Amino acid sequence: QQPVQSPQAVILREGEDAVINCSSSKALYSVHWYRQKHGEAPVFLMILLKGGEQKGHEKISASFNEKKQQSSLYLTASQLSYSGTYFCGTDLDSSNTGKLIFGQGTTLQVKP
Amino acid sequence: GAVVSQHPSRVICKSGTSVKIECRSLDFQATTMFWYRQFPKQSLMLMATSNEGSKATYEQGVEKDKFLINHASLTLSTLTVTSAHPEDSSFYICSARPVGGGGYEQYFGPGTRLTVT
Repeated sequence: QQPVQSPQAVILREGEDAVINCSSSKALYSVHWYRQKHGEAPVFLMILLKGGEQKGHEKISASFNEKKQQSSLYLTASQLSYSGTYFCGTDLDSSNTGKLIFGQGTTLQVKP
Repeated sequence: GAVVSQHPSRVICKSGTSVKIECRSLDFQATTMFWYRQFPKQSLMLMATSNEGSKATYEQGVEKDKFLINHASLTLSTLTVTSAHPEDSSFYICSARPVGGGGYEQYFGPGTRLTVT
């Protein structure tokens, strides 16, 4: 049931764009995106709900394709601070229990 | 806003002892908190859901007698690792969902690094 994230790792130069994908074999009711830096807690980026989406940041956006059971996170004009591991957390329960199943993570490194 | 704290941040204990980890929502109330475990360079694995005023629900494969969870108030949940063993060494992270506001977002604490010797 764990969603699959791709790519596993990506290296960018400052100012470049990146896309991180999150695919599930099960129907999704919400997708939550987090960024985690080494040794720190995951930081909430945004949540996408079935039937809609919410944006958390200006240069970071996301889409949610319910039919394809996948979500994508878009990072535009990347900054050094974007470096970290990105996780998607998926909620498979329509009753909004909040129990998230996380993907394996995508490591993003932004170089000067 | 939406700050979650954990205490302690690091703990080293001897095999066979018990360790309590606290998770607090500092500026909001949370009827539901979640406990995760994360191994190095791996994903977060949900261990249990902690509901204020009721028993926690555990994910499959998680021993409820080993990982005791208490959610005594709307701002505090505790995880006690009983009779800890080296294989319990891990990074334990809690998250909390604010009451109201749609109730979808979760905010994570900074985590507790447990090392059992």
